[in-house]
Amino acid sequence: EVFLVESGGGLVQPGGSLRLSCDVSGFTLRNYWMNWVRQAPGKGPVWVALINSDGSATNIADSVKGRFTISRDNAKNRLYLQLDSLRAEDTGVYFCVRGITVNEEKIIHYGMDVWGQGTTVIVSS
Amino acid sequence: DIQLTQSPSFLSASVGDRVTITCRASQDINIYLAWYQQQPGKAPRLLIYAASALHTGVPSRFSGSGSGTEFTLTISSLQPEDFATYYCQQLNFYPPFTFGPGTTVDV
Repeated sequence: EVFLVESGGGLVQPGGSLRLSCDVSGFTLRNYWMNWVRQAPGKGPVWVALINSDGSATNIADSVKGRFTISRDNAKNRLYLQLDSLRAEDTGVYFCVRGITVNEEKIIHYGMDVWGQGTTVIVSS
Repeated sequence: DIQLTQSPSFLSASVGDRVTITCRASQDINIYLAWYQQQPGKAPRLLIYAASALHTGVPSRFSGSGSGTEFTLTISSLQPEDFATYYCQQLNFYPPFTFGPGTTVDV
């Protein structure tokens, strides 16, 4: 069975940092593009970051560009999200999410098929 | 960025009802639209990808259609476990992969 398990969330002061981790099991991480998606309390999901299968390319949402970094260690079956210069508006549940991505003549993203249970980040003084 | 709108925002329905939710994109996104269901306190769950492809394990009462800028999610006969919030997401233009604002299906 496929599992994604996030960790590393917590309460942090504005301006602080956190490193979120996502442990993968049940599939070969290096074969998949991966995402982080966050959801503020009472709001809809918001895509945050994307990383390709070997970690050589990333995309980051404008709202967190320059503050968040996505990375991966395929040998350890682990995905990461480094959160720096945190703001109150970064508060929410952060989900690690597997992408359905096909790379043929061009890269096509079809959806996000496996989600972790999420880890909660609270930015508050 | 591509903007997605969903209608209605809230839908009151009963078990057995046929339910249709619409998602509109601000630009042509071809068929690269997914639908998700989210129960309170849980992660979203993929229902439909590529506008009309049913994800593995999703009941056949769920169906998707559309292309370009207008898409629909239909539940043919609403079941008790289908009361939830539904989100569309476009994956044609990124960053970002935009989600719609959601449609809550309630009693």
